Amino acid sequence: QKEVEQNSGPLSVPEGAIASLNCTYSDRGSQSFFWYRQYSGKSPELIMFIYSNGDKEDGRFTAQLNKASQYVSLLIRDSQPSDSATYLCAVQAGTALIFGKGTTLSVSS
Amino acid sequence: DVKVTQSSRYLVKRTGEKVFLECVQDMDHENMFWYRQDPGLGLRLIYFSYDVKMKEKGDIPEGYSVSREKKERFSLILESASTNQTSMYLCASRKTRALTDTQYFGPGTRLTVL
Repeated sequence: QKEVEQNSGPLSVPEGAIASLNCTYSDRGSQSFFWYRQYSGKSPELIMFIYSNGDKEDGRFTAQLNKASQYVSLLIRDSQPSDSATYLCAVQAGTALIFGKGTTLSVSS
Repeated sequence: DVKVTQSSRYLVKRTGEKVFLECVQDMDHENMFWYRQDPGLGLRLIYFSYDVKMKEKGDIPEGYSVSREKKERFSLILESASTNQTSMYLCASRKTRALTDTQYFGPGTRLTVL
């Protein structure tokens, strides 16, 4: 079975710091990777996707992909208390996305 | 903006009842999905559909069935609800399986089976 692994956390960072969230996946053939943010009691919302090796930046967020190591990460620069949420890594497996269990991030002011 | 709606935010049912969860998307997406989300277990795929009347089992289809009679609507059916089906149910849709297509989620239905 295809698996997506994330450290459950919680990951605690002070306001203004860089938060680093990591994800590994088992299917070497996976081609597309997504990061979702989920606030407590809400549904997941897409932050960004990446499908090429290297870095992709969008505002304070940077996704990094290393297909050889089967590793994808999300960096959040200048972390804010409003970034406190659970971050879900997802990998495309055929038609569906397979999700990791999520990492809970807590940003303290 | 893509909109995915679910028929109920909260639902309470009794063991043995037949339960219907409805999902509607308004952006002509080909693919629709049902997940359940439980603490410590994350999001798990129950069923998905890639076209009208077409369906595929996900990772945990036991105890569930689905129906997709129209492109915009995807229903999840619990034939005989059990307490272990108490969960948050999330519907999602995605235009195609292209690498850059985003999967959008509905607001979720919190189902409690007593």
